[in-house]
This record gives sequence, C-alpha cells and structure tokens, in this order.
Amino acid sequence: GAGVSQSPSNKVTEKGKDVELRCDPISGHTALYWYRQSLGQGLEFLIYFQGNSAPDKSGLPSDRFSAERTGGSVSTLTIQRTQQEDSAVYLCASSRGLAFDTQYFGPGTRLTVL
Amino acid sequence: RKEVEQDPGPFNVPEGATVAFNCTYSNSASQSFFWYRQDCRKEPKLLMSVYSSGNEDGRFTAQLNRASQYISLLIRDSKLSDSATYLCVVNILNYGGSQGNLIFGKGTKLSVKP
Repeated sequence: GAGVSQSPSNKVTEKGKDVELRCDPISGHTALYWYRQSLGQGLEFLIYFQGNSAPDKSGLPSDRFSAERTGGSVSTLTIQRTQQEDSAVYLCASSRGLAFDTQYFGPGTRLTVL
Repeated sequence: RKEVEQDPGPFNVPEGATVAFNCTYSNSASQSFFWYRQDCRKEPKLLMSVYSSGNEDGRFTAQLNRASQYISLLIRDSKLSDSATYLCVVNILNYGGSQGNLIFGKGTKLSVKP
C-alpha cells in the first residue's frame, strides 16, 4: 500500500517568508509525528498527534512553528518568518498509534532558507 | 544521562566482517525496542524489532539485555550495501515527556569498504 508522502520534496525560501509543509500519513494510522534533522545530526522531535487528543507540541522550537492535522489525516507544518537556522530536512512519520507500533517515515522535505 | 545513547562511529569495516553496535537506554520503563536504518539523505526505515529472547533476520541479530538496559545489533558477513547509519529506538509506554512514546538515538554510522 501507499506509504507516508510529503510535499514538497524540496523548498527553497528567503529569510522571513512563511512556509507550509504537508504530510499524508498511511491510511488508517492514527498517530502522526513531525521531526526535523539537520545535516549530520539526529532526529529532533517537533510535534505528535494521536487520534483526537490534544497534540504534544513540546518539541516545537519556537512560536514561529505550528502544525495542524485536519480530519485525523493530513497534517501541515507551518513555519512563519523563516530563519536560516530553520534549514533542515523535515520528516513526517505515522503509526497505527498502538503502544508498540513502529513508525513509518515519509521521504522528508528539504528546507533551505537563504 | 541521555535517554538513548549510541556510539556515533564511524565504524569502518571491510566486506565480510562482523560488526556489532550497542545502545544503552536510561528509562527502565521502556517497553519495546527497534533498530532503524537510515541511508545518506534518506528517511529512516525499520530494520528490525528487538525481542526479549533475541531475534535474527538473515545476517542481522538483535539482542536485548533488560538488566543492563542495553540492546545490540550484530551484522555478519558485511556487505557494501550495509553502509548506513543505524538508529536505536526505544518505545516507552505512557511516556510523560515529549516525543510521543518513541525515543530515537542519534545513530551509529557504518561504512563497509571493499
């Protein structure tokens, strides 16, 4: 079946602009995660959605970052007033949401802020 | 102490070698464990789950030691295609912190040379 998809695959923007990154999880997966990964670094957790529960936003680095998940499916990560340090690969993952389920990752969006 | 710790490497080994990675975790409430593989500029992908009794998948063997709170991954007869970063992942049921319930290590880099 279809895996996790993300769009765009690459995004180049100018400092100060807003960007929106999209994630389509695997159908039926109730849990959705956003991470970012800077070059040569590990995964940095950003936000976690589980079903209809309030999202865990504790990983968002600043109030310029926000995310929504509409209808329990597609999610959008928005970064306002982008800064050069926001440049990274933004990865989305989904899982069935059960306690021991593994996460399946999308291919990521490579964001470059000039 | 970090929640999940791995030796970043790199481990440089010749083809055909046997190589082992260890990973330690700090939370004794950890419930399940995984190894993910991440190729350069790609998303992480599940390599294998780690079961209490240990498990094997072809050339790959995973072991769990709950008493000492570490897991290991053994790769036999290394292939060039095994070159990647190996991420240790720990699932903590009802984790009260951030990151949902999966904690990712920063990864161990393996380079297999001809």
